[in-house]
Amino acid sequence: SQQGEEDPQALSIQEGENATMNCSYKTSINNLQWYRQNSGRGLVHLILIRSNEREKHSGRLRVTLDTSKKSSSLLITASRAADTASYFCATDGTAGTYKYIFGTGTRLKVLA
Amino acid sequence: EPEVTQTPSHQVTQMGQEVILRCVPISNHLYFYWYRQILGQKVEFLVSFYNNEISEKSEIFDDQFSVERPDGSNFTLKIRSTKLEDSAMYFCASRNQGPSYEQYFGPGTRLTVT
Repeated sequence: SQQGEEDPQALSIQEGENATMNCSYKTSINNLQWYRQNSGRGLVHLILIRSNEREKHSGRLRVTLDTSKKSSSLLITASRAADTASYFCATDGTAGTYKYIFGTGTRLKVLA
Repeated sequence: EPEVTQTPSHQVTQMGQEVILRCVPISNHLYFYWYRQILGQKVEFLVSFYNNEISEKSEIFDDQFSVERPDGSNFTLKIRSTKLEDSAMYFCASRNQGPSYEQYFGPGTRLTVT
């Protein structure tokens, strides 16, 4: 069955440093989305990357996708204290209902 | 930009009571979903709905749960007899048909069962 897993589970860095989070999944996908979630709040869409794309950028965010390894990474450059949150990847399937399978998330803490 | 809306934002209910969580998906979308996130855990798929019927459901979605699209705009999740373990954030999502479309999530309803 499809499953998203992020690593590391928790990451603590200093403000200004870069943060890299990884996501692995098991089955073929159409799309992979990265979300941010502040404690107890909603999901904030960050970047969607399609299976035929290898890299996407949005501001300080860079997402890569390697479908041969079934993995993706999210890089946040020049991190800020406001980036402190949990980050999840979500993948859909190539057939059926396109439901999303979420990873377990990476808890990022950026120290000022 | 169109968005998915959910009401209420927070619902407190007593164990054994029925609750209905409401969602208004994006108007031209065809697939609708409910997800659940227990505090501190990952987001879990509950059910998908397409063409006025359930297209897939997870093991979590037992007989206590039901979904409905009563009027062509609202999409509801009903829990018939709530349990303490139903306390969670419930997210509604919708998307258009086709493999390249993304899902749009609502802001969530926090359900607290006491």
